Amino acid sequence: DTGVSQNPRHKITKRGQNVTFRCDPISEHNRLYWYRQTLGQGPEFLTYFQNEAQLEKSRLLSDRFSAERPKGSFSTLEIQRTEQGDSAMYLCASTDMSPLHFGNGTRLTVT
Amino acid sequence: GQQVMQIPQYQHVQEGEDFTTYCNSSTTLSNIQWYKQRPGGHPVFLIQLVKSGEVKKQKRLTFQFGEAKKNSSLHITATQTTDVGTYFCAGFTGSSNTGKLIFGQGTTLQVKP
Repeated sequence: DTGVSQNPRHKITKRGQNVTFRCDPISEHNRLYWYRQTLGQGPEFLTYFQNEAQLEKSRLLSDRFSAERPKGSFSTLEIQRTEQGDSAMYLCASTDMSPLHFGNGTRLTVT
Repeated sequence: GQQVMQIPQYQHVQEGEDFTTYCNSSTTLSNIQWYKQRPGGHPVFLIQLVKSGEVKKQKRLTFQFGEAKKNSSLHITATQTTDVGTYFCAGFTGSSNTGKLIFGQGTTLQVKP
C-alpha cells in the first residue's frame, strides 16, 4: 500500500491554458474524491466516483472542470481555460467504506 | 445544501492548556469524521463517530457526537506542540458512508511552548 499518489505536485500555468492532474488511488479502493482547498479553508468537494461512474459533481464547478476515471482505477481532473481564481491545492482521496485517504495534492498557480 | 460549520476558526493556547473545537451541521448526520491537517500536509483521518451521544477517546483527545447527531466536538487535554495543525470535522451527505463528504472550514490550533 503506497497510499494515494498525485501528479504533478506543483503546476504553474498562465491564465487561459488547460491543465490536467492525475490521481492514483489505493488499489482496492472503489471510491475516489476530488477536493479543492484554498488557504485557511476546508477541503471543498468537487466530484466523486464509485468505480468508473461519476456519481456527483459540485454545482459550484463550472463547465471548465471535468474529471474522468475511465477504468475505475486512476483519475484525471482537467481544468480548461484556467483563471486566477482556480489557484488552489487540488486534493484527491480514495476510500473503500470509511475514512478518506488523501494524497499530497497538486498545487496549482495561475499567473 | 448541507453545511458544516466549525468554531473557532483559530485558537492560540499555551502548551499545557486545554483546547476545544465545535462542529455544527445544518442537517442530521449519519456519522461524523474528524481529520487533522498539519501545516503543509494533507488531511489525515483521526476518528469516526456513529451513534447518538457517542464519546470516544484517543489519549489526550476526546471526541463527542451530539444527541441529535447534528453537532460534535473535539477536546484536547494538556496541549503539546505536536498538536499544532488544523482540525476538520466532516459529514457524509448520504446514508452511512456514502455520498459526498462535506468538510467544515476547520479550526487552526497554535500551541506556544
